[in-house]
Amino acid sequence: GGIITQTPKFLIGQEGQKLTLKCQQNFNHDTMYWYRQDSGKGLRLIYYSITENDLQKGDLSEGYDASREKKSSFSLTVTSAQKNEMAVFLCASSRLGASAETLYFGSGTRLTVL
Amino acid sequence: SQLAEENSWALSVHEGESVTVNCSYKTSITALQWYRQKSGKGPAQLILIRSNEREKRNGRLRATLDTSSQSSSLSITATRCEDTAVYFCATLTGNTGKLIFGLGTTLQVQP
Repeated sequence: GGIITQTPKFLIGQEGQKLTLKCQQNFNHDTMYWYRQDSGKGLRLIYYSITENDLQKGDLSEGYDASREKKSSFSLTVTSAQKNEMAVFLCASSRLGASAETLYFGSGTRLTVL
Repeated sequence: SQLAEENSWALSVHEGESVTVNCSYKTSITALQWYRQKSGKGPAQLILIRSNEREKRNGRLRATLDTSSQSSSLSITATRCEDTAVYFCATLTGNTGKLIFGLGTTLQVQP
């Protein structure tokens, strides 16, 4: 088994601030993902990384940067936090190369922008 | 773009009853997955059903897939209070690794 660890669990920022969310996995998975979850809107893919040093944009990448520092870690940066923004950011990982992927999720970082 | 969506926002049942959550999608897929998300946690996979499969079971859970109507269902029998959660279907196309999630159905199981 393995675990996805997201830090911090709660993040409060100011409008315009640059904020970084971190994710670590010990599954030894190749692929990692960042999803944003808004109430009533399901999960939307922000960025994913198929292998170390790879970055792929998802459907919601504008306003975000990502970095795959090493195989086990994947960071997401909110480049300029928007006032009244509230969402949960979920990190996930999966094996590479399977014909159908199972994603393993962390418990999320809850962002509030004042 | 591909869209997976559950067909009900919320369902409520009493313990011991059975319930079915439905999902529809709009493009061809290689697989469909059902996830459950409990409060304060990330989603956890329940069942993965491939495009060449019609039914998959996991304990009290049964998923079906109808590629001709582009729909899937997840049935839970003998529901328990701990089944209370949001249920998502998610679809995968090709080998991109991009999983597209539906909006989720909130299931409340009452004692």
